[in-house]
Amino acid sequence: DTEVTQTPKHLVMGMTNKKSLKCEQHMGHRAMYWYKQKAKKPPELMFVYSYEKLSINESVPSRFSPECPNSSLLNLHLHALQPEDSALYLCASSRLPGGAGNQPQHFGDGTRLSIL
Amino acid sequence: KQEVTQIPAALSVPEGENLVLNCSFTDSAIYNLQWFRQDPGKGLTSLLLIQSSQREQTSGRLNASLDKSSGRSTLYIAASQPGDSATYLCAAREGNYQLIWGAGTKLIIKP
Repeated sequence: DTEVTQTPKHLVMGMTNKKSLKCEQHMGHRAMYWYKQKAKKPPELMFVYSYEKLSINESVPSRFSPECPNSSLLNLHLHALQPEDSALYLCASSRLPGGAGNQPQHFGDGTRLSIL
Repeated sequence: KQEVTQIPAALSVPEGENLVLNCSFTDSAIYNLQWFRQDPGKGLTSLLLIQSSQREQTSGRLNASLDKSSGRSTLYIAASQPGDSATYLCAAREGNYQLIWGAGTKLIIKP
């Protein structure tokens, strides 16, 4: 069982809908990540939160809006998505951000998102 | 610019065989290298992480090695089982957060 929990597991939404993806970890990790993964491709980094503050935004369109309400939770708010946004969205966490940590990233099982 | 390559893209072997998966990277200035497995439609499971100062790490039937000078890492799986069938990805860490990913090797273990 993964220690990073993502909900929902599957989500189907129309292009005009607003929905949110949720991620939770209770390992005390202070870095949390959102990745997007298309079929048969490796994950692509979207956002990084370090100590609950946004550290990296990999030029992600504004229709994706991340939020980190506390050290255990990470949300991804979705609005006006396009069909090409259909993918597996993965959340990850690691113990320490920064070069000193060298800690592995732990991934959740992902949310399979389909945009109609 | 760092590039990570995994060859072959797919591998099929009979159950019980020992096997090696390969990962190569172009820039030796990495913090660490991490191996993951991914089952179809699932997230990634971290298998082993090798720090840049280490040569190898072992967990059960898995052994990962790192040779920075040659830009190579290998994942050795002993006595393969059908449950080992999955896609295996390696990722080299650069900077504070960025993982540079290989495209993965899809492994099939035939009973």
